[in-house]
Amino acid sequence: AQTVTQSQPEMSVQEAETVTLSCTYDTSESDYYLFWYKQPPSRQMILVIRQEAYKQQNATENRFSVNFQKAAKSFSLKISDSQLGDAAMYFCAYRSAYSGGGADGLTFGKGTHLIIQP
Amino acid sequence: SAVISQKPSRDICQRGTSLTIQCQVDSQVTMMFWYRQQPGQSLTLIATANQGSEATYESGFVIDKFPISRPNLTFSTLTVSNMSPEDSSIYLCSVGGALGTGELFFGEGSRLTVL
Repeated sequence: AQTVTQSQPEMSVQEAETVTLSCTYDTSESDYYLFWYKQPPSRQMILVIRQEAYKQQNATENRFSVNFQKAAKSFSLKISDSQLGDAAMYFCAYRSAYSGGGADGLTFGKGTHLIIQP
Repeated sequence: SAVISQKPSRDICQRGTSLTIQCQVDSQVTMMFWYRQQPGQSLTLIATANQGSEATYESGFVIDKFPISRPNLTFSTLTVSNMSPEDSSIYLCSVGGALGTGELFFGEGSRLTVL
């Protein structure tokens, strides 16, 4: 079974600064997807960024980028120019690509609470 | 992305009662997933619901406690049966995104408090 580990229960950053959230995972599969989801107090899970394991290039979405190290099974999220609206719980998640039509759900880490200091 | 509506948004329930949560999607989807998020915790997959067949439950979750219906490709229900305070959680419905992306989209969740 796959596991996802987020070792930072809470992180704090000054507005406009850069912060990196850590995530490691364990799997024996070679093809999979990795995600970062954001959950603000409204509790809506919002997809922030997605990475396919077979792609070497790190995904980027505006101020959000990842550092995907497949051999190290590491998948960190970098948030640049942090904004007050970035304050939320951030969950790292894994999904097998061998899900035969999408039968497998996501495996989530425990989350990192990101605080933005004005 | 799919638009997912869940009802109720929140509810306060008495111990021993059952509550059914509804999930409506604005497009046809093959798989629907139900997750539980206990207070201050991460999301745990309860079961996967495929239209026309019985749901597949994850370890630690059983059909008698969490019966699921999937009558068509846009709708599913999750019932939390014989509730206890330990069932106080947010329950989230999720569906897959575009084929090949691996993405899942989530409803806003249903927050249940059991007294």
